[in-house]
Amino acid sequence: DQQVKQNSPSLSVQEGRISILNCDYTNSMFDYFLWYKKYPAEGPTFLISISSIKDKNEDGRFTVFLNKSAKHLSLHIVPSQPGDSAVYFCAARGGSQGNLIFGKGTKLSVKP
Amino acid sequence: ETGVTQTPRHLVMGMTNKKSLKCEQHLGHNAMYWYKQSAKKPLELMFVYNFKEQTENNSVPSRFSPECPNSSHLFLHLHTLQPEDSALYLCASSQEWGRYEQYFGPGTRLTVT
Repeated sequence: DQQVKQNSPSLSVQEGRISILNCDYTNSMFDYFLWYKKYPAEGPTFLISISSIKDKNEDGRFTVFLNKSAKHLSLHIVPSQPGDSAVYFCAARGGSQGNLIFGKGTKLSVKP
Repeated sequence: ETGVTQTPRHLVMGMTNKKSLKCEQHLGHNAMYWYKQSAKKPLELMFVYNFKEQTENNSVPSRFSPECPNSSHLFLHLHTLQPEDSALYLCASSQEWGRYEQYFGPGTRLTVT
């Protein structure tokens, strides 16, 4: 059973608007949550993370929100740019073992 | 070369072939990982090496055999694979095992015929 779920396989947004990517998880022992971004023919690249003791982390246009009671996190991109078009993976670190557990990804398309 | 490199980028092999995937990291990291990404599935962790020692084998079939001769190089030896093993194989590294920020290579697209 999937411990990290990204239920939207794709998302299309107009340039300049907000993109919101969602992720749900089942294991309350996860201590870090991360977002990775992947362009075609490239490996995933680390984008932003959040510790389980926080509820928000911001880095420029990217903000990650964590709702522990709902076991839900989201990535907000404001404003969205065409260069943000990529597949976004949500991942969680599995406690002391430190291994990452990934979601299936959401393909974001930002239209000019 | 910078970052994490993988060769070959594409590989087609028959079920009776033996081939190897190579990964090299130029970041001075001590942990290296093999992941498998099949179509419409999440990235699956296969193996973890920390300071050249294998620390994780995620119930991977023995037809996949990893090798880590030093902290900079990681191999995945393949033999008698099945068509369902066709996938994107990604290598990653991190400063140490358990660090969440992992750096990925571009992957090897493997097709088993």
